[in-house]
Amino acid sequence: EVQVLESGGELIQPGGSLRLSCTTSGFTFDTYAMSWVRQAPGKGLEWVASIGGTGAYIYYADSVKGRFTISRDNSANILYLQMNSLRVEDTALYYCARGLGTENYYMAVWGRGTTVTVSS
Amino acid sequence: DIQVTQSPSSLSASVGDRVTITCRASQGTASFLAWFQHKPGKVPRLLIYDASTLQSGVPSRFSGSGSGTDFTLTISSLQPEDVATYYCQKYINSPLTFGGGTKVEIK
Repeated sequence: EVQVLESGGELIQPGGSLRLSCTTSGFTFDTYAMSWVRQAPGKGLEWVASIGGTGAYIYYADSVKGRFTISRDNSANILYLQMNSLRVEDTALYYCARGLGTENYYMAVWGRGTTVTVSS
Repeated sequence: DIQVTQSPSSLSASVGDRVTITCRASQGTASFLAWFQHKPGKVPRLLIYDASTLQSGVPSRFSGSGSGTDFTLTISSLQPEDVATYYCQKYINSPLTFGGGTKVEIK
C-alpha cells in the first residue's frame, strides 16, 4: 500500500526553524516527484515547494523562497522541508504529496498532514 | 506569474443536479491543469489531471474539460458525498498555483 506520513510539526516562535519529514512506503521513491502543500486555518490550499524524483529540479512558492528548503533522501525514502525564519503567516497544516512520475508533479497521493503553529 | 481564478466561490445545488465549476488562468496553461476535492477533516483527492483525464478510482460523474485559459469541472449528477471544496491547480510551470476554491453544498 502506498503511504506518505508527515511529521515534525509543532508550536514554534517567530524567527525559529523547524524541519518537517515525510516518510514514504509502498512505491519506488526516487521515481516520483514530491511536493509540500499547506493550508492555513480557514484558508485554501497553497502550494509550497516541489522536487523531482532525482532531486535535480526544485521549485518554490515566492512566499517561502529563501526561507524554506525542500530536499529528499532517496536512500531512506524520506522527503524533507527545512523551514527557517518562520513567520506567523506560516502557521498551517502541511501536507506531503506524491506526484504521478519522476517529473510529473500532479499530486496523486497525500498524507494526513502535520501542523505547524508559529506564535509567541 | 500566471494567476488562477475559480468561480463561483460557493454554490448550493440539489441532489441529482448538474454542477459546473470554472477555472480561468491569466495566461495559457495548455492542458496542464488538475482538479482536487477536499472534504472537511479529510485529505485532498486528485480528481482530474491534464485537464480531462480522470484519476483512477474517481467516479465517472466527474469530468473535466478545457485548454489554454478556460477550464471546467463538471459533476453530472450531484451526490450527497460530493459536498466538499473543489480546487483547480495549474502545472505548466512554477509556481504551481491553486485556485481559490469552490465550496459545494447540497440545497
